[in-house]
Amino acid sequence: EAGVAQSPRYKIIEKRQSVAFWCNPISGHATLYWYQQILGQGPKLLIQFQNNGVVDDSQLPKDRFSAERLKGVDSTLKIQPAKLEDSAVYLCASSLIRGRYETQYFGPGTRLLVL
Amino acid sequence: AQKVTQAQTEISVVEKEDVTLDCVYETRDTTYYLFWYKQPPSGELVFLIRRNSFDEQNEISGRYSWNFQKSTSSFNFTITASQVVDSAVYFCALRGETSGSRLTFGEGTQLTVNP
Repeated sequence: EAGVAQSPRYKIIEKRQSVAFWCNPISGHATLYWYQQILGQGPKLLIQFQNNGVVDDSQLPKDRFSAERLKGVDSTLKIQPAKLEDSAVYLCASSLIRGRYETQYFGPGTRLLVL
Repeated sequence: AQKVTQAQTEISVVEKEDVTLDCVYETRDTTYYLFWYKQPPSGELVFLIRRNSFDEQNEISGRYSWNFQKSTSSFNFTITASQVVDSAVYFCALRGETSGSRLTFGEGTQLTVNP
């Protein structure tokens, strides 16, 4: 079974530029998550989708971050404009079911460096 | 509020030594779920185990074992006869029943196994 796919793996941009990350979850997984992992810290949830609807975006900085999952499969996370503090690894995860038996499976992440 | 504490920032051992990674959690939920993930240098978070709060049975999987103690709010992870390939950052995570699907991660423990 193929895992969660993400691209690009690495991205370097200058502050105030825009950037977009792509994620393709495990086939059949209805729930998709985007996490931000700053160096030396654990991942922090940015947004959660159930199919193509947003379930939780309470920790998403909506003034510069946006995400969509238009067809309920793959998803795009965008930062516009980027700040230095956005330098982090952006992890995508997916899960098959919600509730007590849910387990999230993660992709390899996109490492973003903002100069 | 939920919190996960991994007090050990870095651990270094010699191959074949046993090593225990500590995890202490806080939650007001009576039902919750605990996880361990491994993050090798490649960056992908690899799921290791899920433990439900209503099941205190400890688990062993090969060289890995987990000790869940509700009385001390701890969910410790032991690697027996460590190998160089075990070198990674290990994260403990918590999901409370009232927090939806949101995982709260600890800061992680960097384990280095030296030959």
